[in-house]
Amino acid sequence: AQRVTQPEKLLSVFKGAPVELKCNYSYSGSPELFWYVQYSRQRLQLLLRHISRESIKGFTADLNKGETSFHLKKPFAQEEDSAMYYCALSMNTGNQFYFGTGTSLTVIP
Amino acid sequence: KAGVTQTPRYLIKTRGQQVTLSCSPISGHRSVSWYQQTPGQGLQFLFEYFSETQRNKGNFPGRFSGRQFSNSRSEMNVSTLELGDSALYLCASSLTGTGAGEQYFGPGTRLTVT
Repeated sequence: AQRVTQPEKLLSVFKGAPVELKCNYSYSGSPELFWYVQYSRQRLQLLLRHISRESIKGFTADLNKGETSFHLKKPFAQEEDSAMYYCALSMNTGNQFYFGTGTSLTVIP
Repeated sequence: KAGVTQTPRYLIKTRGQQVTLSCSPISGHRSVSWYQQTPGQGLQFLFEYFSETQRNKGNFPGRFSGRQFSNSRSEMNVSTLELGDSALYLCASSLTGTGAGEQYFGPGTRLTVT
């Protein structure tokens, strides 16, 4: 069963515009949720995790248990934000992560 | 600290052969996870090793196996290769084993099965 869904494969926004990458999950327990990012020709790396409740590179994500969502947001997109973004879920049974299929974000200058 | 390293980076095999991929985690990391990445399925969890024990296993056939050594280095083996096994195989290491910590990914091994 698909545990993490990212409905948008591709997303394009203009520089300076707000951006929201959607992530929905299915899990009845208390998940740990993450956003990972892969910039061109770089490795997959952690962007942020919900337990930290921090803003990284201007991005924030709020866990909404009622809607089972963990959308990633940034108020003003920058060209350097162009990358592949993956939402991931861990069920706290060790390091077994379920990843969404990813959203490719392009920020148009 | 050196990052996660994977060898080889590229591999071409023939159907029916077997292959072994290697992953060296970041020093001090005891958890190593393996993922298969394909355009159609995305990143799919294969298995996780922690202190030489397999703790979690994804939904893959028994042809996929792995092990972890006392120095935390890990190998995964795929026997009787099929065309559908062509993929990027990623390994990730983590300091914690709780599922709440950051995973550090390697560059991947690109396996092509012909």
